[in-house]
Amino acid sequence: DIQMTQSPSAMSASVGDGVTITCRASQGINKYLAWFQQKPGKVPKRLIYGASSLQSGVPSRFSGSGSGTEFTLTISSLQPEDFATYFCLQHNSYPPTFGPGTRLDIK
Amino acid sequence: EVELVESGGGVVRPGGSLTLSCEASGFTFGVVGMSWVRQVPGKGLEWVAGINLNGETTSFGDSVKGRFTISRDNAKNSLYLEMNSLRAEDTAFYHCARGFGDPDYWGQGTLVIVSS
Repeated sequence: DIQMTQSPSAMSASVGDGVTITCRASQGINKYLAWFQQKPGKVPKRLIYGASSLQSGVPSRFSGSGSGTEFTLTISSLQPEDFATYFCLQHNSYPPTFGPGTRLDIK
Repeated sequence: EVELVESGGGVVRPGGSLTLSCEASGFTFGVVGMSWVRQVPGKGLEWVAGINLNGETTSFGDSVKGRFTISRDNAKNSLYLEMNSLRAEDTAFYHCARGFGDPDYWGQGTLVIVSS
């Protein structure tokens, strides 16, 4: 199975900051990568698919990039509602596998 | 609006069986693949199983292969997960999700507890 890693595992930032989360795959996955946001007690919400396509209804401050084995999720100007845990998911090879998550807290 | 509602969770003894159901609405069920994803509360996510639009192709995560079966009834807009030989490590919330390998919408989940 393809192993997904994320860095950092946790981070703190302030409202208005820009942040970047990195996801790495143990082998090339083309652009078959999605990013999810999960808030406590809530279901994961897909933000990005195809590595860089923004899910309908998701604010444009979220963006994704990358291909192959390294990917990034960038939030350009953090809003209070963005503090959550973020997961990446590869679906190039089966079974699909998730990254372990990055917890984003308010500083 | 896409809605996915799971049912069938509960407490079961190790070695036991359970079948989960998911009722879909708000989209054309029969033209999309579906999947099950599980999450231990406070922990990470694990893709469990997926099925294509007509049920002819299925795929399973390594930890459940040979024990779980996924199926669907397009006439009833329903997805199922039959779980056999359950283990303590299968304890989790099980979410029904739209999409085979890249789920975009998820249900709230149903809790399965495997315990003696």
